[in-house]
Amino acid sequence: EPEVTQTPSHQVTQMGQEVILRCVPISNHLYFYWYRQILGQKVEFLVSFYNNEISEKSEIFDDQFSVERPDGSNFTLKIRSTKLEDSAMYFCASDLRGDTDTQYFGPGTRLTVL
Amino acid sequence: GESVGLHLPTLSVQEGDNSIINCAYSNSASDYFIWYKQESGKGPQFIIDIRSNMDKRQGQRVTVLLNKTVKHLSLQIAATQPGDSAVYFCAVSAQGGSEKLVFGKGTKLTVNP
Repeated sequence: EPEVTQTPSHQVTQMGQEVILRCVPISNHLYFYWYRQILGQKVEFLVSFYNNEISEKSEIFDDQFSVERPDGSNFTLKIRSTKLEDSAMYFCASDLRGDTDTQYFGPGTRLTVL
Repeated sequence: GESVGLHLPTLSVQEGDNSIINCAYSNSASDYFIWYKQESGKGPQFIIDIRSNMDKRQGQRVTVLLNKTVKHLSLQIAATQPGDSAVYFCAVSAQGGSEKLVFGKGTKLTVNP
């Protein structure tokens, strides 16, 4: 069964450093998402991406964040200058049709900012 | 904006019992609802979904009920097994063609043998 994959599973970085989190969505899906989950809290939407551009973003997704689909399979989230409060699980998700379609999630990357 | 809340942060049941997990949402125009299961250290795993034109949907051992009048959603798990132990989230699709999901806080289900 196809699944969303993410690398790395755990990333430790120093405050102020740049990180890139990688995702491979399900191959025939067209809509891609990033969510995050701070320990013990809700899963929160960050950004959605379709047709090579951002279609929606939350207020969390400020200028320090960017997303890219550099090739036909990868979808990346970059945090330019990490802050302590960026420590969280970051989940990538994808779906086929967007609005009211089932989003399938990857296993997540645990980001720890020291 | 949409907000999603759960009635109980934790639920403990005996193996073989039925479990019911509840969720409330705020936006009457929400039209798509999903239940996810999250095991420790893993991503949310799709369980079942329901659209606003339905009030009940059944899967294998799971049933989702939607009451649009009171903006309430529930997940019923029949004959709960130890492997069902996890955190369960409801997620709601925001109105107006938005793709984002708004998640509730999660109910931690513990199944006792």
